[in-house]
Amino acid sequence: ETGVTQTPRHLVMGMTNKKSLKCEQHLGHNAMYWYKQSAKKPLELMFVYNFKEQTENNSVPSRFSPECPNSSHLFLHLHTLQPEDSALYLCASSQDGGGAGNEQFFGPGTRLTVL
Amino acid sequence: GENVEQHPSTLSVQEGDSAVIKCTYSDSASNYFPWYKQELGKRPQLIIDIRSNVGEKKDQRIAVTLNKTAKHFSLHITETQPEDSAVYFCASGFNFGNEKLTFGTGTRLTIIP
Repeated sequence: ETGVTQTPRHLVMGMTNKKSLKCEQHLGHNAMYWYKQSAKKPLELMFVYNFKEQTENNSVPSRFSPECPNSSHLFLHLHTLQPEDSALYLCASSQDGGGAGNEQFFGPGTRLTVL
Repeated sequence: GENVEQHPSTLSVQEGDSAVIKCTYSDSASNYFPWYKQELGKRPQLIIDIRSNVGEKKDQRIAVTLNKTAKHFSLHITETQPEDSAVYFCASGFNFGNEKLTFGTGTRLTIIP
């Protein structure tokens, strides 16, 4: 599947490092999302962008900084992370204009480990 | 904010039997309820959804029911097959509102051959 791609697929970083996660969608969608998936927890919505504008910030710590330069690309900049931030980070996209009522297409995720 | 509870957290059924997963939601304004399936090591994918103007929707072996009064909805899988083994997530949201979906904690379904 190539609709939504994410890089890197795996990332190990120290608490003082700065890294970025990248998401790209080739579906012509205008809404993009970042989710955090931890063991035994629900998928946690982090950020929503609609037409490059951030429409949702779900009380995410400032050590996570999103960037959406255009409707096809979404970044998540990471700095000064904590070990509890280790998780699978999933990107998703959907068609615009339908609120939550449009199917979200997920990327394969980035498995992040913070040492 | 919205709270979605999902039960059970794990479920094992014999191949060919039926499986039922239940979710409850708290925000009476929610009107869109999708179900996503995530196979081991793969990304979540939408399998079925229901909007609050209907009480039931069916797609082959999969059906979803919605009780707006009680604020709960359920996923029913009949004639289960080994490829149905996965984690299933329910979610709720507001159609034509913001794009936010609130997910349940997931149910790990194992089909026993």
